[in-house]
Amino acid sequence: DTGVSQNPRHKITKRGQNVTFRCDPISEHNRLYWYRQTLGQGPEFLTYFQNEAQLEKSRLLSDRFSAERPKGSFSTLEIQRTEQGDSAMYLCASSLSLAGSYEEQYFGPGTRLTVT
Amino acid sequence: RKEVEQDPGPFNVPEGATVAFNCTYSNSASQSFFWYRQDCRKEPKLLMSVYSSGNEDGRFTAQLNRASQYISLLIRDSKLSDSATYLCVVKPEGGYNKLIFGAGTRLAVHP
Repeated sequence: DTGVSQNPRHKITKRGQNVTFRCDPISEHNRLYWYRQTLGQGPEFLTYFQNEAQLEKSRLLSDRFSAERPKGSFSTLEIQRTEQGDSAMYLCASSLSLAGSYEEQYFGPGTRLTVT
Repeated sequence: RKEVEQDPGPFNVPEGATVAFNCTYSNSASQSFFWYRQDCRKEPKLLMSVYSSGNEDGRFTAQLNRASQYISLLIRDSKLSDSATYLCVVKPEGGYNKLIFGAGTRLAVHP
């Protein structure tokens, strides 16, 4: 399967614990995005990487959230001191930048986080 | 006010029916527009882009009205397999290609 992969698919954690999610984009894609989706809502943009550079962060990304893409390939999203409001599906997407055309974002299956 | 607004539905229609979804967006400088489809507990997938001239892909027709900041999706001859949530999506001007999603309109097609 050469699509976007995310691990783990499900994570249950207790409030106050730290969690880390991983995203492996489609191999030649240089752009990577993180979104968060809660029940009954559409995905909300969190952050964006072009290669290893984090170029945009949403104000939704509080200081408890940090994302990295150390070698411009896979990315990690860490949430520190989780809160019940962090319970959501965390989606990763990737795209290949091509001058002058829309780049379709391909989404991974998501990591569903439940904070108890 | 949300940047992208959609009627959440659900729309319950019989097979073969024609159904239309509407969406409005608040940022007049928005650059690109799309419809994504999301099946239950799955990731969103691009259904089609939306152009001012209107565009059609088989049974699906999308339309954009920039003056009214309004986007529509028409599905003809509905199939059971069309049951899903349809997300209206806007790409703002600039913004590094981030997408702004509506909350989605749920469609249920029944026999």
